[in-house]
Amino acid sequence: AIQMTQSPSSLSASVGDRVTITCRASQGIRNELGWYQQKPGKAPKLLIYAASSLQSGVPSRFSGSGSGTDFTLTISSLQPDDFATYYCLHDYSYPLTFGGGTKVEVK
Amino acid sequence: EVQMVESGGDLVQPGGSLRLSCAASGFIFSRFWMSWVRQAPGKGLEWVANMKYDESEKYYADSVKGRFTISRDNAKNSLYLQMNSLRVEDTAVYYCARTVDTSIYYSDYWGQGTLVTVSS
Repeated sequence: AIQMTQSPSSLSASVGDRVTITCRASQGIRNELGWYQQKPGKAPKLLIYAASSLQSGVPSRFSGSGSGTDFTLTISSLQPDDFATYYCLHDYSYPLTFGGGTKVEVK
Repeated sequence: EVQMVESGGDLVQPGGSLRLSCAASGFIFSRFWMSWVRQAPGKGLEWVANMKYDESEKYYADSVKGRFTISRDNAKNSLYLQMNSLRVEDTAVYYCARTVDTSIYYSDYWGQGTLVTVSS
């Protein structure tokens, strides 16, 4: 199975900061990766699919990039609603695997 | 409005069985893949199983293969997860999600989850 290594596992940031989260696949997965946001006690929310396509209704401050083994989720200017945990998920082949998650906390 | 509502979560003893249900509404259920994803208390997300809209393809995580079975009833707009030989490590909130798996993949609508607790 493909392993997804996400970093950092947590970070502290302030409103207005630029935040970058990285996911590395154990083998090349083309652009077959999505990003999800989850808040405590809530279901995950789709942010990005196909590495860089923004899901409808998601603010444009979220962006994704990467291909092959290295991927990035960027929040250009962190907003109060963005404090949450973020997960990558590869869909290159079954079984699918999530990254371990990145918790974005208030600095 | 697209909606998924999971049910069936309960406290069960190790080795026991449980069947989860997911009632879908607000979209043409028979045209979408569906997924089960779980989250153990305080842990990250774990993909569990996927099923194609016409039931012709099913996929499972290695951790549940041979013990869990995903199924669906398109006439009832419902998704199921039959869980047998349950283990303590299967304790989690189980989410169902509407999924697109064509040339692109994503799960865009999720239920609120149902809690399964495996304990003696």
